[in-house]
Amino acid sequence: DVKVTQSSRYLVKRTGEKVFLECVQDMDHENMFWYRQDPGLGLRLIYFSYDVKMKEKGDIPEGYSVSREKKERFSLILESASTNQTSMYLCASSSGQGKGVDYTFGSGTRLTVV
Amino acid sequence: SQQGEEDPQALSIQEGENATMNCSYKTSINNLQWYRQNSGRGLVHLILIRSNEREKHSGRLRVTLDTSKKSSSLLITASRAADTASYFCATDPNQAGTALIFGKGTTLSVSS
Repeated sequence: DVKVTQSSRYLVKRTGEKVFLECVQDMDHENMFWYRQDPGLGLRLIYFSYDVKMKEKGDIPEGYSVSREKKERFSLILESASTNQTSMYLCASSSGQGKGVDYTFGSGTRLTVV
Repeated sequence: SQQGEEDPQALSIQEGENATMNCSYKTSINNLQWYRQNSGRGLVHLILIRSNEREKHSGRLRVTLDTSKKSSSLLITASRAADTASYFCATDPNQAGTALIFGKGTTLSVSS
């Protein structure tokens, strides 16, 4: 019954590495989102996508990029990982135009950059 | 752009008691949603209330929405130890091309 899958639960990367976080959904949802979650700051939106090959910046896009080549997959890319990108990363998806619908979240990827 | 602010930040109660969490937000919304997060996991949707609704129930959950005060509350009745989790409100802005905006959450601890 898994609907949104994030490829890794835990990840440790070195400063300067290029990091790929993968998210796949099997619900044929049009919309996909990447948030990061930090203690005391809640969830903050990094990027989102309403369609294949389409992307929109969220509140904190700096240092990140995304790729959506197929409807079911939304990848978050850290171009050059830094220690301040150590965080929990949450992927979500939703159907329709994103209004009046709830999000389905993956289990999260806890990334540590050393 | 943090929209929702939950209050309190943390809440500790005994099993069987009711738990009330509040959420305030700043701008006009289409709907407001509540999510639950067990420790270190993803968020799970609990309930959605639309801007033209004032109250909604789902099992032991009761949500109210006051758009004039830009606030919502989540009541969990007869709490159980399994309700221990963090709870987040999320607002769906009345604006095209936007995503849900989450608050910082309330951490609920229910002891037996």
